[in-house]
Amino acid sequence: QVQLQESGPGLVKPSETLSLTCTVSGGSISSYYWSWIRQPPGKGLEWIGYIYYSGSTNYNPSLKSRVTISVDTSKNQFSLKLSSVTAADTAVYYCARHRDDIVGALGGMDVWGQGTTVTVSS
Amino acid sequence: SYVLTQPPSVSVAPGQTARITCGGNNIGSKSVHWYQQKPGQAPVLVVYDDSDRPSGIPERFSGSNSGNTATLTISRVEAGDEADYYCQVWDSSSDLLVFGGGTKLTVL
Repeated sequence: QVQLQESGPGLVKPSETLSLTCTVSGGSISSYYWSWIRQPPGKGLEWIGYIYYSGSTNYNPSLKSRVTISVDTSKNQFSLKLSSVTAADTAVYYCARHRDDIVGALGGMDVWGQGTTVTVSS
Repeated sequence: SYVLTQPPSVSVAPGQTARITCGGNNIGSKSVHWYQQKPGQAPVLVVYDDSDRPSGIPERFSGSNSGNTATLTISRVEAGDEADYYCQVWDSSSDLLVFGGGTKLTVL
């Protein structure tokens, strides 16, 4: 079955750019929507943004000015870049796949990565 | 922006029924998804499109959605159901995804 694996540095300095990659295995990245979600320590889930395999994106307005999500279909990967990070960006970052059961709509997220912890500190 | 409101906590005795609500303006017109998250683990989809269950999710988990409230119902609650539960919708008018604040289910 489809599995997702997040990868990237676990420690990022303030003001630098956080970069993570999600690798899709056991299936194709095509024909699905994919999201990044984060969870600060002890807090709830926060949606960061989504990308369609074709490359179209949308982002949480609270992060939009700092976020870029991209896709590489040849590698079956999609990536997250978050610029100008501060301690408030310290969180577990998850990637997830959206179900494709509703035409023209973003379905529920049925496959999640295990999550990767990113700490912002000097 | 669209807001989803969940109670911070719900407690229930084993074998009883737990109901976790998710409030939002005219949420009945949207598709609601529910996730279960246990400590140190990634969220798991337990109900999608208001009331459907992914394969492998027990029938004890069910959902409903009408008016301004969606509800996740867990029947015959077990100790293993103790977790945080999050509701989520996609707001088509803004093309944004929204999570509720989460509800901690405690099994007494």
